[in-house]
Amino acid sequence: QSVLTQSPSVSGTPGQRVTISCSGSSSNVGDNYVYWYQQLPGTAPKLLIYRNYQRPSGVPDRFSGSKSGISASLAISGLRSEDEAEYYCVAWDDNLSGPVFGGGTKLTVL
Amino acid sequence: QVQVQESGPGLVKSSETLSLTCTVSGDSMNSRIYFWAWLRQPPGKGLEWIGSIYYTGSTFYNPSLKSRVTISTDMSKNQFSLSLTSVTAADTAVYHCARHSDSGYCNGSRCPRSGWFDPWGQGTLVTVSS
Repeated sequence: QSVLTQSPSVSGTPGQRVTISCSGSSSNVGDNYVYWYQQLPGTAPKLLIYRNYQRPSGVPDRFSGSKSGISASLAISGLRSEDEAEYYCVAWDDNLSGPVFGGGTKLTVL
Repeated sequence: QVQVQESGPGLVKSSETLSLTCTVSGDSMNSRIYFWAWLRQPPGKGLEWIGSIYYTGSTFYNPSLKSRVTISTDMSKNQFSLSLTSVTAADTAVYHCARHSDSGYCNGSRCPRSGWFDPWGQGTLVTVSS
């Protein structure tokens, strides 16, 4: 069971906007930055969002992150077939003194 | 640009020790900004942080694995290594190394206070056999 809670799956059609949520507690999401990763099938995770909402160079602005309290969200607009992947949220946990992951959300593009 | 690459045996016998090495290229591990991390992903499951090491040798481990894990560095080769003892089938996973960024302070000491891992190695599957 993961420390951060994510919905197991989400789906959308091309062009739509979907949101993936990540719920934690005051010791992790509430008090630390949230990071998001995209993992395409058979590949290593790729950093998508850092420090709650910032995008690394090369990540399209269709991807956006936000955080409020003990919850964070990743929004993907203008959905494309190549966005079909597993998405993970991560945050440092002050109680565990280490980063903790969400269980992952599988995005299906219908 | 920095790259990391895992290497090591793909098969380990139950109760023995898993040993992997990560080679860093394009950047020196002597940087005061970064830690260097090991993570893993069991087949069909999610990601788990194993531990991270600083260039000083300071280490931080996942409490659930701490009793069995050792991470060390070989600065002369720009490498860091993972040792996991007494492995079982539950340790079968793809093991990744990564640069761990955005460090901060924990109780006054430098610590990898983030979930920022970039770049990642492609990963290496380690199967624990009985």
